[in-house]
Amino acid sequence: GQQLNQSPQSMFIQEGEDVSMNCTSSSIFNTWLWYKQDPGEGPVLLIALYKAGELTSNGRLTAQFGITRKDSFLNISASIPSDVGIYFCAGHNAGNNRKLIWGLGTSLAVNP
Amino acid sequence: GAVVSQHPSWVICKSGTSVKIECRSLDFQATTMFWYRQFPKQSLMLMATSNEGSKATYEQGVEKDKFLINHASLTLSTLTVTSAHPEDSSFYICSASHPGYGYTFGSGTRLTVV
Repeated sequence: GQQLNQSPQSMFIQEGEDVSMNCTSSSIFNTWLWYKQDPGEGPVLLIALYKAGELTSNGRLTAQFGITRKDSFLNISASIPSDVGIYFCAGHNAGNNRKLIWGLGTSLAVNP
Repeated sequence: GAVVSQHPSWVICKSGTSVKIECRSLDFQATTMFWYRQFPKQSLMLMATSNEGSKATYEQGVEKDKFLINHASLTLSTLTVTSAHPEDSSFYICSASHPGYGYTFGSGTRLTVV
């Protein structure tokens, strides 16, 4: 099935550094979602975006819905050890029976 | 907030037996539930979409007779892996959806078939 292009695939950073990851799609989405998944757990929603150009923050996290509706980015500022995990983007089209299309994930490691 | 409870969190079964996984929306009514499968270090792969009271829609390549999905109420969906084999070992995750609540995920079920 369709998947989103998510990059980078993995990141290894020092505590306190900022992180940026992004997703692109070949088709237009009405919704962009960013999730974090810890080992052995289900994904947890971080930020939901519903309008082109929308910029939304959740604590140290900021995400934007691209103007073209085909891309989104997630920034994490001042990373801390508990930010470690896998981050997934997901997009949704109104006419797709509410199915989410997923990115391949960005694995984040933070060195204390 | 919206909570989805998935049980069991892990299960080990013998090859040839069947295993049932439950997914419940605790504080909202889920009009649609999704079942995913996830292999290590990979993304979520959608297996099927189910709407309450109707038959599930399976993704291409997913055997409907092997992965039985029942969505009998607005708060409960079950996935039964029938005649499980070692290659069915995986991490299974459900997601419940309702307009206004977005998509909420269960905590996943680690299935190991021996």
